[in-house]
Amino acid sequence: DAGVTQSPTHLIKTRGQQVTLRCSPKSGHDTVSWYQQALGQGPQFIFQYYEEEERQRGNFPDRFSGHQFPNYSSELNVNALLLGDSALYLCASSFGAGSGEKLFFGSGTQLSVL
Amino acid sequence: GENVEQHPSTLSVQEGDSAVIKCTYSDSASNYFPWYKQELGKRPQLIIDIRSNVGEKKDQRIAVTLNKTAKHFSLHITETQPEDSAVYFCAAIPYNFNKFYFGSGTKLNVKP
Repeated sequence: DAGVTQSPTHLIKTRGQQVTLRCSPKSGHDTVSWYQQALGQGPQFIFQYYEEEERQRGNFPDRFSGHQFPNYSSELNVNALLLGDSALYLCASSFGAGSGEKLFFGSGTQLSVL
Repeated sequence: GENVEQHPSTLSVQEGDSAVIKCTYSDSASNYFPWYKQELGKRPQLIIDIRSNVGEKKDQRIAVTLNKTAKHFSLHITETQPEDSAVYFCAAIPYNFNKFYFGSGTKLNVKP
């Protein structure tokens, strides 16, 4: 039973570029959430996808967008990259979008913006 | 929105001692409180969680307590071992969302 998988594991981009990160949820899960974790900080909620729609969003600009596919996998897109976007991007999956559903995290994509 | 504060930011204990990490939250509607352990370069892993209708939960050497009135919850690790060394994050989840609000983390170092 595969857990949450993310790709790529590492990525280096330059300012102004665009990036796409990918996530496959744990088997049996239908909800995907994305978090940004800066060095030495706790994860910060970006948004959540359920039934192929963005259901909730954190305090992130519109440069951050996403998508969920019929097989429940998801993508996170970031446009016009800034130096401050350098962070570990974590995908987490759960069964259902309701409150208190256990979250299972992937190993993350380490994004470095130069 | 919810605001979670976590203390201490670093904690160093001798192997075999106990460790306690505390978190406070601001939204009285929060009703789910998980704790995650993150080893260097690895994913956060759920180690224990508690819901607002329970005051205490224990799993072997790990326990979590919740005080809803004071809006704080704590992680207790007894008989610490070097493999407990990691960063621990608490989180609070509001009643009608599945948005996790994380604390800033506690780096636990267990000295052999």
